[in-house]
Formats: sequence, structure tokens, C-alpha cells
Amino acid sequence: GAVVSQHPSRVICKSGTSVKIECRSLDFQATTMFWYRQFPKQSLMLMATSNEGSKATYEQGVEKDKFLINHASLTLSTLTVTSAHPEDSSFYICSADRTGGVSEKLFFGSGTQLSVL
Amino acid sequence: KQEVTQIPAALSVPEGENLVLNCSFTDSAIYNLQWFRQDPGKGLTSLLLIQSSQREQTSGRLNASLDKSSGRSTLYIAASQPGDSATYLCAVGDSWGKLQFGAGTQVVVTP
Repeated sequence: GAVVSQHPSRVICKSGTSVKIECRSLDFQATTMFWYRQFPKQSLMLMATSNEGSKATYEQGVEKDKFLINHASLTLSTLTVTSAHPEDSSFYICSADRTGGVSEKLFFGSGTQLSVL
Repeated sequence: KQEVTQIPAALSVPEGENLVLNCSFTDSAIYNLQWFRQDPGKGLTSLLLIQSSQREQTSGRLNASLDKSSGRSTLYIAASQPGDSATYLCAVGDSWGKLQFGAGTQVVVTP
């Protein structure tokens, strides 16, 4: 089946540093990728939609200057948490749409647990 | 705004019992509904995908039903096993691929 690789799986960083998370579709092209965030004991919340070759679309309440998304190729999207603070500590997970925009089964990465000290 | 609710929040059953997990959503204009499994600290595994025009999907011991008009879906897991212990998430999708998740049902199957 389709595989989405997400790295790193766990990051611990100091407050004020930036962290980059990569999401790769290994055996298919993904024109659209999605980034979600999950706080403890809460549901996953969509942060942004990443479109290859164009600007990401952010959900209401998500700071686009803080969460930089780059989708430079059909197999790679990156999320950079800039100047991370403890309140950014969360589980971040990406998903890729294999069919290029029409909602079918989405394939998820294994997630990144970010801890900001 | 779409809201997705899952009941119960947690469930513990002895091995061999059938599991029934409920999901409700407030806006019936959905494109599809998916059930996922999430293991602690890990990503999501898609279990079943039901298109809005369908009423149910089955895979092995899993069966999911969808009643779009009443805003409900139910996931049945037959003859539960300890390996079924995980958090089960329900998510409704729109035509753009965006998913709205419920908070999940944490399942523990005891040997």
C-alpha cells in the first residue's frame, strides 16, 4: 500500500529555535498534503493544506508566519515551526492525497512528537 | 461548522466480545467518512472508508455503517482481540480532502 514517511519522529528543542518536519510520499505523487496537530487527549485538528507549487492554505487561527509550509515537489512537503515555544509542543502529523485533490483514502505519516523546553 | 463526536470516550472489554463504537456529526453534507486506528505515539492507519453514497463497508472483522441523514456512523469489531487495543478515530471528509476528526474512543481489550 501507499507509504508516507514523516521525519523526525520525535524532537526536543529549546524555546526560540526552529524545527523542520518532513513528509514524503514514497511510492506515489501527492499534489496535496495536509498537516494536522494533536494536543494530548484532543482530536486532530487540521492546520493547513499544502499544495505543490503554490502557497499553503491555513485554517483559521493558525499563524502562517509561525508554521511555514513548503511543498516544492510532488513527493515532499515540509512544516517548519519557527521560534518554537512550549505551547507549540504537540503531535504533528501529515497526510497525503494520492488522487490529487479528490478525497479518497488518505495516507498518514507516523507523526512527530515535538517537545519545546 | 461541522462537529464530530465519538461515544464512548473509552471502552474496556474482555477478549472475544464484540465492540461497538459510535460517531456522530452535525452536518450531513459530507463527502465521505473514515475510521482510523491510532496506536500510542504513532500515526494513523485507515481502517474503512465509506463514501457518502454508501451505507456500509466491511473488512475482515470490521464493519462500519453510515446513516448520513441522521449524522451517524458505527464501527463494529467482531470477536475482539488484545491486539485491537488502540484509539479509534472517526473523521468526516469534504471533497477537498480535508478531514474533521472526532476525539476518539480508547479501546482496551483484556486477555
